Amino acid sequence: AQRVTQPEKLLSVFKGAPVELKCNYSYSGSPELFWYVQYSRQRLQLLLRHISRESIKGFTADLNKGETSFHLKKPFAQEEDSAMYYCALGYNFNKFYFGSGTKLNVKP
Amino acid sequence: DSGVTQTPKHLITATGQRVTLRCSPRSGDLSVYWYQQSLDQGLQFLIQYYNGEERAKGNILERFSAQQFPDLHSELNLSSLELGDSALYFCASSFRTGSHSGTNTGELFFGEGSRLTVL
Repeated sequence: AQRVTQPEKLLSVFKGAPVELKCNYSYSGSPELFWYVQYSRQRLQLLLRHISRESIKGFTADLNKGETSFHLKKPFAQEEDSAMYYCALGYNFNKFYFGSGTKLNVKP
Repeated sequence: DSGVTQTPKHLITATGQRVTLRCSPRSGDLSVYWYQQSLDQGLQFLIQYYNGEERAKGNILERFSAQQFPDLHSELNLSSLELGDSALYFCASSFRTGSHSGTNTGELFFGEGSRLTVL
C-alpha cells in the first residue's frame, strides 16, 4: 500500500540556518513526489515536484529511490518560509496521498 | 488564484445537524478531491470524483457523503455532526482526465477551504 511519512510534526530553526524536512514514501510502482506548502491564511499550493528538478524559493528536493525519500532542503531558511509543508505521492496518474505535514517555524 | 472556489468559508453549527459544503473546480478540471484538515491529523483524504463518478474513497465516515454534478461542481454532505468533525475541509481539482495516457500525474489545485465549527 502507498504511504507517505513525515516524521516531524514541528521543525524550528533560526533564520539563516539550513533546513531539511524529511519525507519517506512507500509505493511499489513509479511514484511522483510533490511538496505542497500552506502559508498562514492561504490555500495549499504546489511548491515543487520531483520531475521538474527545479529550485523554488531556494528549496530543492531530490528523489532517492534507494532510500525511498524525498526530503525538502534549503541552505538558508528565511522567516517567510514559516508554513505547513506536506509531502505528497502521486500515483495511477490522478491519485494522491499526503503525509501528515510538518510545520516549519523559522525564528528571527 | 487557482480557480477552485469553496463555499461557505466559515460555518458554525450544532451537534446533530447537517451541513453541505460546495466546491467548484477550475474550468476544465474533471477530477475533484475532498480533504479534511484537523490539527492533530494533518490532511486526510476523504473522497475523489472524476467526471461525476466516484473514483476513490479514503477515510470518509458513513455520516458523510459527496457527489459531483454534471456541471462538475461537487458537494460534501456532513450529517449527524459531532464535535470532532470540526475541521477545515478542502476541495481540490486536477486537470488530468484520469486515463492512463502515459502522462504524469497532474498538480492539485486547492480551494481556500471551508472551516466548520461544531458546537
